[in-house]
Amino acid sequence: EPQLLESGGGVVPPGGSLRLSCAASGFSLSAYAVTWVRQSLGKGLEWVSVISATGGSKHYPEDLRGRFRIFRDNSKNTVDLQMNNLRSDDAAIYYCAKLTQDYWYIDSGLAFDVWGQGTMVTVSS
Amino acid sequence: SVLTQPPSASGTPGQKVTISCSGSDSNIGTKTVTWYQQLPGTAPKLLIYENNQRASGVSDRFSGSKSGTSASLAISGLQSEDEGDYSCATWDDSLAGWVFGGGTRLTV
Repeated sequence: EPQLLESGGGVVPPGGSLRLSCAASGFSLSAYAVTWVRQSLGKGLEWVSVISATGGSKHYPEDLRGRFRIFRDNSKNTVDLQMNNLRSDDAAIYYCAKLTQDYWYIDSGLAFDVWGQGTMVTVSS
Repeated sequence: SVLTQPPSASGTPGQKVTISCSGSDSNIGTKTVTWYQQLPGTAPKLLIYENNQRASGVSDRFSGSKSGTSASLAISGLQSEDEGDYSCATWDDSLAGWVFGGGTRLTV
C-alpha cells in the first residue's frame, strides 16, 4: 500500500526556519507531482506548494512565495519543504500528498490521492 | 475561504445528506471539483475527483455533482462512521493555485 510519511515538525521561534520532509514507501514517488497542504487548528485546508515529478516546475501561493521553498530528491524518494522567517500564522499541521500525475494539469489530475499523516509546526518564543 | 461550504450538516443513520460547495467562474465554473473526507484525528482522504468520480475503495453511498459554479457531495445511507469533516477543492485561475472550502462537519 502506498504511504507517505512526514517528519521535521516541531517548535520554532518567530523568524526561525524549519525543513519538513516527506518520504514515500510502497511506491516510487518520482513518477508523481507532490504537494504540501497545511491545516491550522480548527481551520480549513490551505495549499502551500507543489513540485512536478522531475522537480523542474514548482509553484507557490503568492503570499508564501519567497519564504517557502519545495525540493525533491528522487533518488531518496523524498520531497522537502523549507520554511523561512516563520510567523505565528504559519503554525499548523503540514501534510504532504501526491498528485495522480507527474504535473498539475488543470483540466484533469488536480486531485491529491495519497496523503501523509501530517507533522505539526508550532511557532512560539 | 474562496469556496463556501456550510460549517455543519447532520442526519440520522440511514438518511441522505447533501453538502454544498459554492465558488465562482474562476474556479468551480471552469475546473473540476474534488472532495476530501477527514475523520476525527486523521489526515484527509480522497473521496471524489473530477466532480463525480469515486476514488478507489470509496463506497457508492458517496456521490458528487457539479452545476455551474456550485458542487455538491451527497452521502446516502448515513452511517456513524461517516462523521467527520468534508472539504471541497479545485483550482482557481485568478489565484493560480488550489483553493479549498472551509469544510463541513457532518454529525450522524
